[in-house]
Amino acid sequence: AQKVTQAQTEISVVEKEDVTLDCVYETRDTTYYLFWYKQPPSGELVFLIRRNSFDEQNEISGRYSWNFQKSTSSFNFTITASQVVDSAVYFCALSEAGARKSTFGDGTTLTVKP
Amino acid sequence: KAGVTQTPRYLIKTRGQQVTLSCSPISGHRSVSWYQQTPGQGLQFLFEYFSETQRNKGNFPGRFSGRQFSNSRSEMNVSTLELGDSALYLCASSPMTVNTEAFFGQGTRLTVV
Repeated sequence: AQKVTQAQTEISVVEKEDVTLDCVYETRDTTYYLFWYKQPPSGELVFLIRRNSFDEQNEISGRYSWNFQKSTSSFNFTITASQVVDSAVYFCALSEAGARKSTFGDGTTLTVKP
Repeated sequence: KAGVTQTPRYLIKTRGQQVTLSCSPISGHRSVSWYQQTPGQGLQFLFEYFSETQRNKGNFPGRFSGRQFSNSRSEMNVSTLELGDSALYLCASSPMTVNTEAFFGQGTRLTVV
């Protein structure tokens, strides 16, 4: 069975600080996909990134970066120079190959204070 | 391109009643998934429809059902509502292929009293 663990329930930082959100996953499949979503107060989940299990290259997109390490089954997300608008709940999700559903972690609530 | 539209946004129902929620996916998306989000259980998968057929189902009782129409719009129905059904119900649409990112609506906040 697949499982996603986001051990950090809540994180609070001051604007301009860097923050890393942790995600650890479990799966027996060798082919799978990992996702990060952001849920602002308005409710809808916003897709941030998708990574497949064969691509361990880290990715940077503006202030966002992702560190995927199969050896530790982790897919961590770092926000550099955080801003108040980054305040949201962030979800990590796992989808096994061919699956038509994603398993989500419990989410990390990030609060960025001015 | 219009996003995923869910109606209504808010709903208050009484125990024992039934409710129908609606979801219009992004144009061209044929896969629609439904999730239930609660503070205690987090985001849980309900079911997924593709081309009017249910392709996958989560671990929910038979009171939860859904359907998809030929225009890919989807509805989910909950019968004999219980207090524990109070939740944010999120609909997500995806392109044809599996394992792609999902595009979510703003959800329907259901309160059962």
